[in-house]
Amino acid sequence: NAGVTQTPKFRVLKTGQSMTLLCAQDMNHEYMYWYRQDPGMGLRLIHYSVGEGTTAKGEVPDGYNVSRLKKQNFLLGLESAAPSQTSVYFCASSYSWGGGLDQPQHFGDGTRLSIL
Amino acid sequence: EDKVVQSPLSLVVHEGDTVTLNCSYEVTNFRSLLWYKQEKKAPTFLFMLTSSGIEKKSGRLSSILDKKELFSILNITATQTGDSAIYLCAVEASQGGSEKLVFGKGMKLTVNP
Repeated sequence: NAGVTQTPKFRVLKTGQSMTLLCAQDMNHEYMYWYRQDPGMGLRLIHYSVGEGTTAKGEVPDGYNVSRLKKQNFLLGLESAAPSQTSVYFCASSYSWGGGLDQPQHFGDGTRLSIL
Repeated sequence: EDKVVQSPLSLVVHEGDTVTLNCSYEVTNFRSLLWYKQEKKAPTFLFMLTSSGIEKKSGRLSSILDKKELFSILNITATQTGDSAIYLCAVEASQGGSEKLVFGKGMKLTVNP
């Protein structure tokens, strides 16, 4: 039972490069989320999706794009990476919004991204 | 602006001690408060609280919510080195038909043998 799987686990990019982070879940969850976690800042929501084909902006969406072409996958894209995007990125999924109703969010193991 | 504040931000204790973690919040249309434990990788769910005064327990961990004073506490009794982690508090809120989940900055607990 894989749960939420993120790939890659680590990546180093140069400023201006692009890349896509992949999140896959096998729990048939409707909701998926991308967060970034920085020291002293806690988890901040970048974008989220309430179902296949839908996406919405979270707290810190600038510089990122997302797509949810299939229910089980949620992709996070950086079109032109900047040093300020150096962070640990977490993907999560849940049955209901925010993980309420005793159905918490399930998190992936994170992707550590460094932008030089 | 919605906010979730955790205190203390870090704590170092010895095995066997009891610790209390605090989480206060100011959000629009509160729906629930969640506690997560984050060790090296993914946060893992601990508790979800929606009603005041009802304690939730899981082994040595317990948590309670006060919706009047807008805070929650997470208690860990007889701490063990395996309790060392970052503890995250998050509040689920709704505003104008949209939902949001606001996380605190986390509290780093270190339990020394």
